[in-house]
Amino acid sequence: EVLLVEAGGDLVQPGGSLRLSCAASGFTFGGYWMHWVRHVPGKGLVWISRINPTGRDTNYADFVKGRFTSSRDNAKNTLYLHMNSVRPEDSALYFCAREAPNGGNYYFDSWGRGIPVTVSS
Amino acid sequence: EIVMTQSPATLSVSPGERATLSCRASQSIAGSLAWYQHKAGQTPKLLIYHASTRATGVPARFSGSGSGTEFTLTISSLQSEDFAVYYCQQYNKWPPLTFGGGTKVEIK
Repeated sequence: EVLLVEAGGDLVQPGGSLRLSCAASGFTFGGYWMHWVRHVPGKGLVWISRINPTGRDTNYADFVKGRFTSSRDNAKNTLYLHMNSVRPEDSALYFCAREAPNGGNYYFDSWGRGIPVTVSS
Repeated sequence: EIVMTQSPATLSVSPGERATLSCRASQSIAGSLAWYQHKAGQTPKLLIYHASTRATGVPARFSGSGSGTEFTLTISSLQSEDFAVYYCQQYNKWPPLTFGGGTKVEIK
């Protein structure tokens, strides 16, 4: 069974930093593109980032470029989201998601349950 | 950025009835559309991809249709477990990948 479990969510002050992690199991983690998506009540789902299987190729939404970085450790089957210079509008439920296989299928066939992040002073 | 618009925002349906959810893209996305079901506290679930292909294990009462800019998710006979929020997502032109705002299907 594919399992994705996010961790690291917390209350953080504006301008601060946080690192989210996503532990993967039940599949060959190093063979898949992975994504981060967030959900804000009333605003729906918003895509944040994508990282290739080796971790050398990443894409980001404009609103996080220069502030958030996605990385991965395939030996630990773990995906990360490094969040810097956080803003109150970054408060959300953060999901990691697995991209469907076979390349070019940029939709998500497995998701975690999400982890809440609150940015507030 | 391609904007995805879902309607209605809330759909009140009685169990056993048919539900029709709409998703519109701000420009053509061919058939590059996925539908997800999300229940609070649970993992979102892929229902449909390529606009009309059911994901593994998804019941046949769920069907997707459309291409270009207009898409529909139909639930032929609502079961109690189907009450949830449904999102569409385009993957034709990105970044960014974009989602609709969601349709909440609630019990009438």
